[in-house]
Amino acid sequence: GAGVSQSPSNKVTEKGKDVELRCDPISGHTALYWYRQSLGQGLEFLIYFQGNSAPDKSGLPSDRFSAERTGGSVSTLTIQRTQQEDSAVYLCASSSGSPSGTQYFGPGTRLLVL
Amino acid sequence: GQQLNQSPQSMFIQEGEDVSMNCTSSSIFNTWLWYKQDPGEGPVLLIALYKAGELTSNGRLTAQFGITRKDSFLNISASIPSDVGIYFCAGYNYGGSQGNLIFGKGTKLSVKP
Repeated sequence: GAGVSQSPSNKVTEKGKDVELRCDPISGHTALYWYRQSLGQGLEFLIYFQGNSAPDKSGLPSDRFSAERTGGSVSTLTIQRTQQEDSAVYLCASSSGSPSGTQYFGPGTRLLVL
Repeated sequence: GQQLNQSPQSMFIQEGEDVSMNCTSSSIFNTWLWYKQDPGEGPVLLIALYKAGELTSNGRLTAQFGITRKDSFLNISASIPSDVGIYFCAGYNYGGSQGNLIFGKGTKLSVKP
């Protein structure tokens, strides 16, 4: 597609349930990033993929968070046993993977945990 | 870890005014980026800076990469209503396994009542 797309755009869930968030990067982009943005805050890095591998998982806040990428394209961020503090906007970005490759962001998934 | 201090946190603008915001870092970056985020959208890249001392313009926007590589500023000249939004600076060091951007907390631009 023309840009990074994410689904769902909004998700309301109950505490304790699992959620899956999806990111479709720009076609041909090898690098993919997940960020979290809490209300009124900047973006917090979660995880980075180069191809299907994740050389940097340093930002995942707990073992309830995991992400995978298959076929060098679509990525899924999974949050297990959601907590209220997980409520945030989850943003995905992709880049060409070159050293100066610009990161292009999707519109985000707004997650609300009740 | 690396942190960015972005200021001001918020500011009110009147149409036609010039606006300045800046970011400072506790450590150096190879790249400085400025993004704008509108409500309900993801951040959109405004300007990318790749060399210390670089001064780059994009229409009414001008940004500079500080000579120490620890700071950057963004100027908006002759502001217009559609400039309203949240502006983020981001630092980036390419190479190795570290691929993420480090973001400032943002500068929220609003219209003066």
